[in-house]
Amino acid sequence: SQKIEQNSEALNIQEGKTATLTCNYTNYSPAYLQWYRQDPGRGPVFLLLIRENEKEKRKERLKVTFDTTLKQSLFHITASQPADSATYLCALEGRRALTFGSGTRLQVQP
Amino acid sequence: DAGVIQSPRHEVTEMGQEVTLRCKPISGHDYLFWYRQTMMRGLELLIYFNNNVPIDDSGMPEDRFSAKMPNASFSTLKIQPSEPRDSAVYFCASSLGATGGDTQYFGPGTRLTVL
Repeated sequence: SQKIEQNSEALNIQEGKTATLTCNYTNYSPAYLQWYRQDPGRGPVFLLLIRENEKEKRKERLKVTFDTTLKQSLFHITASQPADSATYLCALEGRRALTFGSGTRLQVQP
Repeated sequence: DAGVIQSPRHEVTEMGQEVTLRCKPISGHDYLFWYRQTMMRGLELLIYFNNNVPIDDSGMPEDRFSAKMPNASFSTLKIQPSEPRDSAVYFCASSLGATGGDTQYFGPGTRLTVL
């Protein structure tokens, strides 16, 4: 069966460090992978999209990698700030439009 | 554009009552999605529409759930009768397409509590 796995445990890091979140998938062959941010009490907000032929994508302090051999995407936030604290979800096109992972909660300590 | 609009933001009802959630998508978006989010199951796709036509409703949990999109600017998700296990946050999202290359824009959600 198709599965998207994100670390369910919260990631706690110190301000200024790089946060790295992982998204692993099985039984998908996605042409794209997306990352969203969700703050408490709000809907997910799109951050980045990466195509299968792109190994890496950057946007300001954000970087996403996409390894179709490992079936994994890594999401990095450099020079993290307390304002980066949120839940981050990855999403893939599956049998039914976009399918979202359960998300990883990031907590950046000042 | 004001983004995706959902109402109400919070709904508390008693078991057995009918609940209607409302959504106004972003103008020009051809696709509308209804999701349910819980701690246990994460964000689940319930149903989505293309040009007001339901395309995939396989995620609708039971016949108690129904969704309509009478026009391009309005959709409803109805639960009748509601049960405590329906308690969740329900999100509406819209997009230009439904592929992995299309960004979805989410509303603020409706937090439903069924007592």
